Amino acid sequence: NAGVTQTPKFRILKIGQSMTLQCAQDMNHNYMYWYRQDPGMGLKLIYYSVGAGITDKGEVPNGYNVSRSTTEDFPLRLELAAPSQTSVYFCASTWDSGNTIYFGEGSWLTVV
Amino acid sequence: AQTVTQSQPEMSVQEAETVTLSCTYDTSESDYYLFWYKQPPSRQMILVIRQEAYKQQNATENRFSVNFQKAAKSFSLKISDSQLGDAAMYFCAYRSENAGGTSYGKLTFGQGTILTVHP
Repeated sequence: NAGVTQTPKFRILKIGQSMTLQCAQDMNHNYMYWYRQDPGMGLKLIYYSVGAGITDKGEVPNGYNVSRSTTEDFPLRLELAAPSQTSVYFCASTWDSGNTIYFGEGSWLTVV
Repeated sequence: AQTVTQSQPEMSVQEAETVTLSCTYDTSESDYYLFWYKQPPSRQMILVIRQEAYKQQNATENRFSVNFQKAAKSFSLKISDSQLGDAAMYFCAYRSENAGGTSYGKLTFGQGTILTVHP
């Protein structure tokens, strides 16, 4: 049972480069989320999705884009990477608002 | 919008002793969930305990228990018989029970409390 799988686990980007963080879940969950965690801070919501084809902005969406073409996958796109996007990124999913949220193991991104 | 505040950036405890981590939150909703998550240095997010707001009884999971004061909007975590493996960052989190509206099951996190356990 894989749960929520994030790739890559570690990545170093140069300023201005772009990349996609991949997230996949095998639990047929409707709701998926992307959070970022800056050093010494709590997690902040970037984007979320309530089902295939439906996405919406969270608390800190600037500099990111998402898509949800299938129930399983929820990739996060970083365009024109900036040092302020250096963070640990977490993908999470759940069946509905009352159920347990499952987190991926995180993706550590450094922009230099 | 809901907010979650953890006023203790760091706490320490001796092994086998008891420690309490504080959390307050602000919401206008009556139905919601509260959580404590543990985050070790690996950054894995581990659910410690969950409390439904409609339940008056405080949740308990082995050595972990909460003191939920709904009127005061307070949700503290008590760790009894602390162990070296309890050392981690602990996050308090809020989640609306309303699946619709603007909540969609999103978690709102506090800033975290770093717990050190001394042998």
